[in-house]
Amino acid sequence: GAVVSQHPSRVICKSGTSVKIECRSLDFQATTMFWYRQFPKQSLMLMATSNEGSKATYEQGVEKDKFLINHASLTLSTLTVTSAHPEDSSFYICSARDPSGGSNEQFFGPGTRLTVL
Amino acid sequence: AQSVSQHNHHVILSEAASLELGCNYSYGGTVNLFWYVQYPGQHLQLLLKYFSGDPLVKGIKGFEAEFIKSKFSFNLRKPSVQWSDTAEYFCAVNYKRTGANNLFFGTGTRLTVIP
Repeated sequence: GAVVSQHPSRVICKSGTSVKIECRSLDFQATTMFWYRQFPKQSLMLMATSNEGSKATYEQGVEKDKFLINHASLTLSTLTVTSAHPEDSSFYICSARDPSGGSNEQFFGPGTRLTVL
Repeated sequence: AQSVSQHNHHVILSEAASLELGCNYSYGGTVNLFWYVQYPGQHLQLLLKYFSGDPLVKGIKGFEAEFIKSKFSFNLRKPSVQWSDTAEYFCAVNYKRTGANNLFFGTGTRLTVIP
Protein backbone atom coordinates (compact mmCIF):
# COMPACT_ATOMS: atom_id res chain seq x y z
CA GLY A 1 0.00 0.00 0.00
CA ALA A 2 0.84 3.67 -0.13
CA VAL A 3 3.42 4.92 2.35
CA VAL A 4 3.39 8.20 4.23
CA SER A 5 6.31 9.36 6.32
CA GLN A 6 6.65 12.06 8.95
CA HIS A 7 9.70 13.83 10.24
CA PRO A 8 10.68 14.20 12.98
CA SER A 9 9.10 11.38 14.95
CA ARG A 10 9.70 13.16 18.21
CA VAL A 11 10.63 16.73 19.07
CA ILE A 12 11.18 18.57 22.32
CA CYS A 13 11.35 22.34 22.25
CA LYS A 14 11.29 25.34 24.53
CA SER A 15 8.22 27.47 24.94
CA GLY A 16 8.10 30.28 22.39
CA THR A 17 10.00 28.50 19.65
CA SER A 18 8.57 27.28 16.35
CA VAL A 19 8.58 23.68 15.21
CA LYS A 20 8.16 22.35 11.69
CA ILE A 21 6.79 18.88 10.99
CA GLU A 22 7.04 17.33 7.54
CA CYS A 23 4.65 14.88 5.95
CA ARG A 24 5.65 13.08 2.76
CA SER A 25 3.85 10.67 0.47
CA LEU A 26 6.62 8.34 -0.65
CA ASP A 27 5.17 6.41 -3.57
CA PHE A 28 2.22 8.44 -4.74
CA GLN A 29 1.20 12.01 -5.40
CA ALA A 30 -1.17 13.45 -2.87
CA THR A 31 -3.22 16.46 -3.87
CA THR A 32 -4.82 16.40 -0.45
CA MET A 33 -3.21 15.82 2.91
CA PHE A 34 -4.72 16.04 6.36
CA TRP A 35 -3.32 17.04 9.72
CA TYR A 36 -4.70 15.51 12.91
CA ARG A 37 -3.97 16.00 16.56
CA GLN A 38 -4.35 13.30 19.18
CA PHE A 39 -4.36 13.86 22.92
CA PRO A 40 -3.72 10.95 25.28
CA LYS A 41 -6.64 8.53 25.45
CA GLN A 42 -8.61 10.65 23.01
CA SER A 43 -9.57 10.45 19.40
CA LEU A 44 -7.81 11.93 16.42
CA MET A 45 -9.13 15.41 15.77
CA LEU A 46 -8.84 16.86 12.28
CA MET A 47 -7.01 20.18 12.38
CA ALA A 48 -6.86 21.11 8.73
CA THR A 49 -7.00 19.90 5.17
CA SER A 50 -3.96 20.73 3.11
CA ASN A 51 -4.47 21.20 -0.62
CA GLU A 52 -1.53 21.31 -3.00
CA GLY A 53 -1.08 24.78 -4.45
CA SER A 54 -3.77 26.46 -2.41
CA LYS A 55 -4.53 27.56 1.12
CA ALA A 56 -5.30 25.01 3.77
CA THR A 57 -8.81 24.62 5.12
CA TYR A 58 -8.84 24.80 8.90
CA GLU A 59 -11.39 23.21 11.19
CA GLN A 60 -13.35 25.34 13.59
CA GLY A 61 -11.32 26.32 16.62
CA VAL A 62 -7.92 25.77 15.02
CA GLU A 63 -5.83 28.93 14.81
CA LYS A 64 -4.47 29.25 11.31
CA ASP A 65 -1.80 31.74 12.40
CA LYS A 66 -0.53 29.34 15.01
CA PHE A 67 -0.57 26.20 12.91
CA LEU A 68 0.86 27.15 9.54
CA ILE A 69 0.36 24.63 6.78
CA ASN A 70 2.19 24.60 3.48
CA HIS A 71 1.57 22.09 0.70
CA ALA A 72 4.05 23.24 -1.90
CA SER A 73 4.38 19.98 -3.81
CA LEU A 74 2.36 16.86 -4.49
CA THR A 75 4.44 14.84 -2.06
CA LEU A 76 5.11 17.22 0.81
CA SER A 77 3.02 19.09 3.33
CA THR A 78 4.46 20.87 6.36
CA LEU A 79 2.89 21.91 9.63
CA THR A 80 4.63 24.65 11.59
CA VAL A 81 3.63 25.20 15.17
CA THR A 82 4.54 28.83 15.80
CA SER A 83 5.43 30.18 19.22
CA ALA A 84 4.76 26.80 20.78
CA HIS A 85 3.46 26.57 24.33
CA PRO A 86 3.12 23.59 26.68
CA GLU A 87 -0.56 23.20 25.79
CA ASP A 88 0.51 22.50 22.20
CA SER A 89 2.21 19.32 23.37
CA SER A 90 0.46 16.51 21.57
CA PHE A 91 0.76 13.78 18.97
CA TYR A 92 0.43 15.17 15.46
CA ILE A 93 -0.49 12.78 12.66
CA CYS A 94 -0.75 13.46 8.96
CA SER A 95 -2.51 11.48 6.30
CA ALA A 96 -2.61 11.62 2.53
CA ARG A 97 -5.26 10.64 0.06
CA ASP A 98 -4.18 8.69 -2.99
CA PRO A 99 -6.49 9.88 -5.76
CA SER A 100 -5.41 7.19 -8.19
CA GLY A 101 -7.36 4.50 -6.39
CA GLY A 102 -10.69 6.23 -6.83
CA SER A 103 -11.56 5.82 -3.19
CA ASN A 104 -11.50 8.04 -0.16
CA GLU A 105 -8.93 5.98 1.66
CA GLN A 106 -6.38 7.94 3.64
CA PHE A 107 -2.91 6.63 4.39
CA PHE A 108 -1.49 7.71 7.70
CA GLY A 109 1.97 8.71 8.75
CA PRO A 110 3.55 7.38 11.95
CA GLY A 111 2.97 10.61 13.84
CA THR A 112 5.15 13.21 15.54
CA ARG A 113 5.18 13.60 19.28
CA LEU A 114 5.71 17.22 20.25
CA THR A 115 6.70 18.15 23.78
CA VAL A 116 6.92 21.82 24.64
CA LEU A 117 8.77 22.60 27.84
CA ALA B 1 -22.74 17.94 14.71
CA GLN B 2 -21.10 14.86 13.37
CA SER B 3 -19.78 12.45 15.95
CA VAL B 4 -18.60 8.89 16.22
CA SER B 5 -18.94 6.80 19.37
CA GLN B 6 -17.00 3.76 20.41
CA HIS B 7 -18.47 2.55 23.65
CA ASN B 8 -15.82 -0.01 24.54
CA HIS B 9 -12.70 1.74 25.78
CA HIS B 10 -10.72 -1.35 26.71
CA VAL B 11 -11.55 -4.94 25.87
CA ILE B 12 -9.61 -7.88 27.24
CA LEU B 13 -10.08 -11.29 25.65
CA SER B 14 -8.42 -14.67 25.69
CA GLU B 15 -7.09 -16.12 22.47
CA ALA B 16 -9.78 -17.81 20.35
CA ALA B 17 -12.55 -15.72 21.89
CA SER B 18 -14.91 -13.89 19.58
CA LEU B 19 -14.70 -10.12 19.24
CA GLU B 20 -17.27 -7.44 18.59
CA LEU B 21 -16.40 -3.75 18.89
CA GLY B 22 -19.21 -1.23 18.72
CA CYS B 23 -19.27 1.89 16.56
CA ASN B 24 -22.15 4.31 16.21
CA TYR B 25 -22.25 7.55 14.31
CA SER B 26 -24.56 10.52 14.33
CA TYR B 27 -26.96 11.01 11.48
CA GLY B 28 -25.59 12.99 8.59
CA GLY B 29 -26.85 11.46 5.39
CA THR B 30 -24.82 9.13 3.25
CA VAL B 31 -21.59 7.96 4.81
CA ASN B 32 -18.40 6.12 4.08
CA LEU B 33 -17.29 3.99 7.01
CA PHE B 34 -13.85 2.78 8.04
CA TRP B 35 -12.11 0.76 10.70
CA TYR B 36 -8.44 1.47 11.34
CA VAL B 37 -6.02 -0.44 13.55
CA GLN B 38 -2.93 0.85 15.30
CA TYR B 39 -0.53 -1.83 16.51
CA PRO B 40 1.83 -0.86 19.34
CA GLY B 41 4.45 1.54 18.05
CA GLN B 42 3.04 1.62 14.54
CA HIS B 43 0.89 3.97 12.51
CA LEU B 44 -2.77 3.68 11.65
CA GLN B 45 -3.61 1.05 9.06
CA LEU B 46 -6.88 0.45 7.27
CA LEU B 47 -8.67 -2.74 8.29
CA LEU B 48 -11.74 -2.42 6.13
CA LYS B 49 -14.11 0.10 4.62
CA TYR B 50 -17.69 0.41 3.46
CA PHE B 51 -18.79 2.71 0.66
CA SER B 52 -21.90 1.02 -0.77
CA GLY B 53 -23.34 -2.37 -1.67
CA ASP B 54 -23.23 -5.39 0.61
CA PRO B 55 -23.46 -4.09 4.18
CA LEU B 56 -21.29 -6.95 5.42
CA VAL B 57 -17.73 -6.00 4.66
CA LYS B 58 -14.75 -8.30 4.94
CA GLY B 59 -11.34 -6.87 5.66
CA ILE B 60 -7.84 -8.07 6.30
CA LYS B 61 -6.75 -10.56 8.96
CA GLY B 62 -10.18 -12.15 9.30
CA PHE B 63 -12.00 -9.00 10.41
CA GLU B 64 -15.44 -8.06 9.17
CA ALA B 65 -17.93 -5.31 9.88
CA GLU B 66 -21.62 -4.89 9.32
CA PHE B 67 -23.25 -1.61 8.37
CA ILE B 68 -26.74 -1.35 9.87
CA LYS B 69 -28.20 1.84 8.51
CA SER B 70 -31.24 1.87 10.79
CA LYS B 71 -29.01 1.73 13.84
CA PHE B 72 -26.28 4.05 12.52
CA SER B 73 -23.82 1.34 13.44
CA PHE B 74 -20.76 -0.26 11.93
CA ASN B 75 -19.59 -2.87 14.41
CA LEU B 76 -16.32 -4.71 13.93
CA ARG B 77 -16.19 -8.47 14.43
CA LYS B 78 -13.75 -11.33 14.39
CA PRO B 79 -14.78 -14.89 15.26
CA SER B 80 -11.50 -15.91 16.88
CA VAL B 81 -8.90 -13.40 18.05
CA GLN B 82 -5.17 -13.97 18.25
CA TRP B 83 -2.53 -12.47 20.52
CA SER B 84 -1.27 -10.50 17.51
CA ASP B 85 -4.61 -8.66 17.35
CA THR B 86 -3.63 -6.69 20.44
CA ALA B 87 -3.90 -3.10 19.25
CA GLU B 88 -5.99 0.06 19.29
CA TYR B 89 -8.99 0.06 16.95
CA PHE B 90 -10.55 3.23 15.56
CA CYS B 91 -13.85 3.63 13.79
CA ALA B 92 -14.05 6.56 11.34
CA VAL B 93 -16.79 8.13 9.27
CA ASN B 94 -16.75 10.34 6.22
CA TYR B 95 -19.98 12.27 5.65
CA LYS B 96 -20.44 12.54 1.92
CA ARG B 97 -22.70 15.60 2.07
CA THR B 98 -19.82 17.70 3.37
CA GLY B 99 -18.22 17.28 -0.03
CA ALA B 100 -14.89 16.78 1.63
CA ASN B 101 -12.79 13.84 2.62
CA ASN B 102 -12.78 14.65 6.32
CA LEU B 103 -12.75 11.68 8.62
CA PHE B 104 -14.41 11.82 12.01
CA PHE B 105 -12.83 9.36 14.40
CA GLY B 106 -14.16 7.59 17.45
CA THR B 107 -12.09 7.62 20.63
CA GLY B 108 -10.71 4.18 19.95
CA THR B 109 -10.94 0.81 21.65
CA ARG B 110 -7.90 -0.83 23.10
CA LEU B 111 -7.94 -4.60 22.61
CA THR B 112 -5.72 -6.79 24.72
CA VAL B 113 -5.60 -10.46 23.82
CA ILE B 114 -4.23 -12.76 26.49
CA PRO B 115 -2.36 -15.83 25.21
